[in-house]
Amino acid sequence: AQTVTQSQPEMSVQEAETVTLSCTYDTSESDYYLFWYKQPPSRQMILVIRQEAYKQQNATENRFSVNFQKAAKSFSLKISDSQLGDAAMYFCAYFDDKIIFGKGTRLHILP
Amino acid sequence: NAGVTQTPKFRILKIGQSMTLQCTQDMNHNYMYWYRQDPGMGLKLIYYSVGAGITDKGEVPNGYNVSRSTTEDFPLRLELAAPSQTSVYFCASSYDRRNLNEKLFFGSGTQLSVL
Repeated sequence: AQTVTQSQPEMSVQEAETVTLSCTYDTSESDYYLFWYKQPPSRQMILVIRQEAYKQQNATENRFSVNFQKAAKSFSLKISDSQLGDAAMYFCAYFDDKIIFGKGTRLHILP
Repeated sequence: NAGVTQTPKFRILKIGQSMTLQCTQDMNHNYMYWYRQDPGMGLKLIYYSVGAGITDKGEVPNGYNVSRSTTEDFPLRLELAAPSQTSVYFCASSYDRRNLNEKLFFGSGTQLSVL
């Protein structure tokens, strides 16, 4: 069975600095998707970034980028120029025929 | 542009009562999911469906049932509510893994308390 592990329950970063959230996963599949979702206190689930496993190039979305290491089954999220609005729970997720989420990392932004 | 619609938004149940959480999507998605999120925790998959007439268990299916008679609807049934089922429930939908624009669309969640 697929599993997703986020080993950092909480992290803090100074505003305008860079922070990296870790995620590892386990699967025997070769074709799958990986996601990072953000969940602010409103409970809404917001897609941050998506990576297709067949693509070697790391995905980027403005200040958000990933480091996708397929052989190591690692999928970390880097947030550059952190802003107060980035404070939220961040979930890593794996998808082939069902989507499995990690336990999340709560990110605090220090002004 | 409705997306994924969940009802109700809030509900309080007594132990042993039953209820159905409704989920409807208007995007013609094949895949639909039910998750629960306990306070401060991640989302756990309860059940999912890859198309009408097809359902499968997720990580935490005990105490729940689902059906998928149409592409649009994926209701979640709690037969004998227990305090351990107090949680926030999310319905979600997606195309399938072959769609290059793959993403999950989430409903707004249902806060369920069992007392």
